[in-house]
Amino acid sequence: SQKIEQNSEALNIQEGKTATLTCNYTNYSPAYLQWYRQDPGRGPVFLLLIRENEKEKRKERLKVTFDTTLKQSLFHITASQPADSATYLCALTSNSGYALNFGKGTSLLVTP
Amino acid sequence: EPEVTQTPSHQVTQMGQEVILRCVPISNHLYFYWYRQILGQKVEFLVSFYNNEISEKSEIFDDQFSVERPDGSNFTLKIRSTKLEDSAMYFCASSDSFKETQYFGPGTRLLVL
Repeated sequence: SQKIEQNSEALNIQEGKTATLTCNYTNYSPAYLQWYRQDPGRGPVFLLLIRENEKEKRKERLKVTFDTTLKQSLFHITASQPADSATYLCALTSNSGYALNFGKGTSLLVTP
Repeated sequence: EPEVTQTPSHQVTQMGQEVILRCVPISNHLYFYWYRQILGQKVEFLVSFYNNEISEKSEIFDDQFSVERPDGSNFTLKIRSTKLEDSAMYFCASSDSFKETQYFGPGTRLLVL
């Protein structure tokens, strides 16, 4: 069956450090992968989309890598700030192309 | 910046009652979706809607659920006879093209007593 796995344990880091979150998947052949941010009680907010032919993508302090051989994506936040504290979700599109399938997310806490 | 809106933000209902959750997708988007998130669990896909018909639905989306686009701006999710296990956050999303980024609304928290 298709699975999307993210670190279930919360990630606690100090302000200014780089946070690295991992997303592993099985039984998908994705054309692209997405990362979303979710704050408590709120809807997911789109951050980045990376396509299968892109090894790396950046947006301001965010960087995503995508390794289709390892079936893994890494999500980096550099110079982290307390405002970056949230749950970060990895998402892949279903084979039909309509549904987004989400991982359980990794909770990030950035302390001053 | 355009955004997806949802009403109500909170809904409390008695088991067996019908509820309608409303969404206004981003105006030029053509694909519409409903997801739910039970407390402490992951976001789960319910249904997608395009060209006035369901394009995909999950196992969760059984006969108790229906969707409708009653006019040019609203997109609704109806649960005919609510069950305790329907208690969750329900998110509406929209996208402007197939297989592209989906933009989510703030959600409706549904509590079934």
